[in-house]
Formats: sequence, structure tokens, C-alpha cells
Amino acid sequence: NAGVMQNPRHLVRRRGQEARLRCSPMKGHSHVYWYRQLPEEGLKFMVYLQKENIIDESGMPKERFSAEFPKEGPSILRIQQVVRGDSAAYFCASSLSYEQYFGPGTRLTVT
Amino acid sequence: GQQVMQIPQYQHVQEGEDFTTYCNSSTTLSNIQWYKQRPGGHPVFLIQLVKSGEVKKQKRLTFQFGEAKKNSSLHITATQTTDVGTYFCAGPKYNFNKFYFGSGTKLNVKP
Repeated sequence: NAGVMQNPRHLVRRRGQEARLRCSPMKGHSHVYWYRQLPEEGLKFMVYLQKENIIDESGMPKERFSAEFPKEGPSILRIQQVVRGDSAAYFCASSLSYEQYFGPGTRLTVT
Repeated sequence: GQQVMQIPQYQHVQEGEDFTTYCNSSTTLSNIQWYKQRPGGHPVFLIQLVKSGEVKKQKRLTFQFGEAKKNSSLHITATQTTDVGTYFCAGPKYNFNKFYFGSGTKLNVKP
């Protein structure tokens, strides 16, 4: 049973470009959370999705950030016109009930 | 808004010494979860506590949930080098739409 998968593992973007981060939840899991982590800091909640629905996006900036979890395919976190401050590790987690299973993360570097 | 705070931020111990990290919430929690993140890795679920005053043990790890359900602790007896990592507590919003993670306690164990 494959765990949560994220790709790419490392992503380098220049300022102003777009970043697309993908997350495939564990088989059978319909809940996906996205978190952002800066070095030496905790996890900051960004968004919670269920299939085809955004349930809570209160932790996600209103501008430049969007997330989706389509009926088919992975969940996508999209960051438009990236800035240096977007550099961080982005983790997704999936769950069936209360326990969250985290993916390996995508390390985004904006140059 | 709800906040979850953790202390200490860092802890350096000699192998064999005990270690405790504390988690405090500004509001009553329905439950609390603990995660461990190894250096360069992703968070891994350890346990969930639900009941007021609950105590759970996993080998050398003891987890407690306060009577008022606003604080929790993780105690490791006789630390080993394999315990190195950052320990996070997380409290969900009542409907599990959102999780508030503490800032984590980074444990370093000297052999």
C-alpha cells in the first residue's frame, strides 16, 4: 500500500514563475491537507480539501495561492508569480479519519 | 484565534537522560495528536489522546492529556539516539477542518 506521494521533491523557480505541487493521497483517503514549513519552524495549516471541494482554506493567502482536489488525479497546490518568501517545504497529508499521513514534502526554492 | 504553543523549543540531552516536551492550547481541545519529524523527513503520527486526564504509553514514550484538555505532554524515558528529531503536538478545530500545530521541540541526543 503506497504511502502519500508528492512530486516534485525539489522545485526551483525564479521570481514571477508559477509553481505546481502535486499530492497523491493514500489509497482510499478522501481528505487532503496542505501545510507549509519554514526551516526550524512548525507546520502552518494552509488548506483542507475533500474530493472536488475546498472545505477550509483559511490558512492560505488569498492572492497567488490556489488548491484543488479533482475527482480524478492528485491534489494540486498552485502558487502563481512566486516570490522569495514562498521558499519553504510544502507537505500534504491525507487521512481517512483522524490520523494524518504525511508525504515526503516538496522543497520549493525561489531564486 | 486558537493557538497551540510548545516548550521548550530545543532540548539537548545525554543518551540515557529523560526528556519532556509540553504543549499548551489557548482553547479546550477535543483531542490532541503528537507527531515526530526526523531531520530532513516528514511528520509521522505517534498517537492521539481524546479523554480528559488520559495517559498512554508506547514503550519509552508516555503521553498525557490534561484534565482541562488544554495541555499535553510527551515524556521519553532513557533517551536513545534514535529519538532525535522534532516533536510536534497538534490540536484540531472541532470539526477536523483544520489542525493547529505547535512550533515543535527539537530533541538532540548526544551518544
